Amino acid sequence: KAGVTQTPRYLIKTRGQQVTLSCSPISGHRSVSWYQQTPGQGLQFLFEYFSETQRNKGNFPGRFSGRQFSNSRSEMNVSTLELGDSALYLCASGTRTGPNEQFFGPGTRLTVL
Amino acid sequence: AQSVSQHNHHVILSEAASLELGCNYSYGGTVNLFWYVQYPGQHLQLLLKYFSGDPLVKGIKGFEAEFIKSKFSFNLRKPSVQWSDTAEYFCAVNAPNTGNQFYFGTGTSLTVIP
Repeated sequence: KAGVTQTPRYLIKTRGQQVTLSCSPISGHRSVSWYQQTPGQGLQFLFEYFSETQRNKGNFPGRFSGRQFSNSRSEMNVSTLELGDSALYLCASGTRTGPNEQFFGPGTRLTVL
Repeated sequence: AQSVSQHNHHVILSEAASLELGCNYSYGGTVNLFWYVQYPGQHLQLLLKYFSGDPLVKGIKGFEAEFIKSKFSFNLRKPSVQWSDTAEYFCAVNAPNTGNQFYFGTGTSLTVIP
């Protein structure tokens, strides 16, 4: 099976702009979770989608939003970018049934100037 | 909310030394436990996982971890590290009965000196 794919791999934006990141889960996986990874902070959970519904949400401002499509692909949007949004954004997919396990994509490196 | 603590932020070892990385979590109910590794320039990969049964679990590349329920701990061990083990290690907890969300520790950076 192909792994989790994320596009684009790198992004450079300026403050105030918005950005959309995309994630395609492993075939058959209906759960997609998003994380923000920064040095010293580890992985901060953003949100999880399952069957097009947001199931869990982390403690991030409303500028961070997401959605999931019927084919399980997911997008994450960040509006009004701030310098502190510079991070590696990781997507993970899973089945959410039975013993749960998450499989990670390579991430999108976002730099906000 | 749950929390996961990794007490060692940076660890430097010589090759062949033994490794133990600590992980403690705060949730008292049923948990699934994981260790992930992130090699330089690569994405997060699963090292090992515990769902139930034998509390001593073995993973890839000679790693093992022991679940001690009474101590809320899931420490990672390797008897003899190699230079190629240089990476960042993350402990994660998932509580299947409370939202199924994953909680990650802040990570431990391991540097192995040849």
